[in-house]
Amino acid sequence: GEDVEQSLFLSVREGDSSVINCTYTDSSSTYLYWYKQEPGAGLQLLTYIFSNMDMKQDQRLTVLLNKKDKHLSLRIADTQTGDSAIYFCAESKTRSGNTGKLIFGQGTTLQVKP
Amino acid sequence: GAGVSQSPSNKVTEKGKDVELRCDPISGHTALYWYRQSLGQGLEFLIYFQGNSAPDKSGLPSDRFSAERTGGSVSTLTIQRTQQEDSAVYLCASSWGGNLYGYTFGSGTRLTVV
Repeated sequence: GEDVEQSLFLSVREGDSSVINCTYTDSSSTYLYWYKQEPGAGLQLLTYIFSNMDMKQDQRLTVLLNKKDKHLSLRIADTQTGDSAIYFCAESKTRSGNTGKLIFGQGTTLQVKP
Repeated sequence: GAGVSQSPSNKVTEKGKDVELRCDPISGHTALYWYRQSLGQGLEFLIYFQGNSAPDKSGLPSDRFSAERTGGSVSTLTIQRTQQEDSAVYLCASSWGGNLYGYTFGSGTRLTVV
């Protein structure tokens, strides 16, 4: 199966909280990431979490990591129309003695309705 | 420049022709990555350069795809004898080696094979 899996679509109303979920397969991943892609643009790093943490909060963003279940989630509080975008979860794949590459999920399209 | 620059931003080519896509990473970034984003798909890893190490080519989908990085800076992704299934957005990213959370993406090259 795929290394990183996400649901493809989420629709919420402005002001509600959004929760985007992701599962990954590599228990040795050092970092896990959330990226945001707005239409016609490249990917922008939103936040990352080190694998020995279980939670990270950054303003409206909360990342939860369940390492046992290999489950990562991104919660966006007070979702705004400007949050409408595709959100990608990614895990790191490191090579011995060197940094490696990121493996991305398919992306979750977040639609925020006014 | 301040960011990762990719050119051209759009490319339409006839099936069977060769194309070259260019990536100018951020100055000083030692790691450079190519990804492919097809419609409705996530980001597919293609190739990764890190300093003077041998590149990780494990994601290249066929021998029609090749990439080089000259002088540790600019990279060119070449697709020979293009096929319609090569149509996608090709994204380049760079990072300071050792800094897995420092990926910066370019805006991509949209390739359409007709």
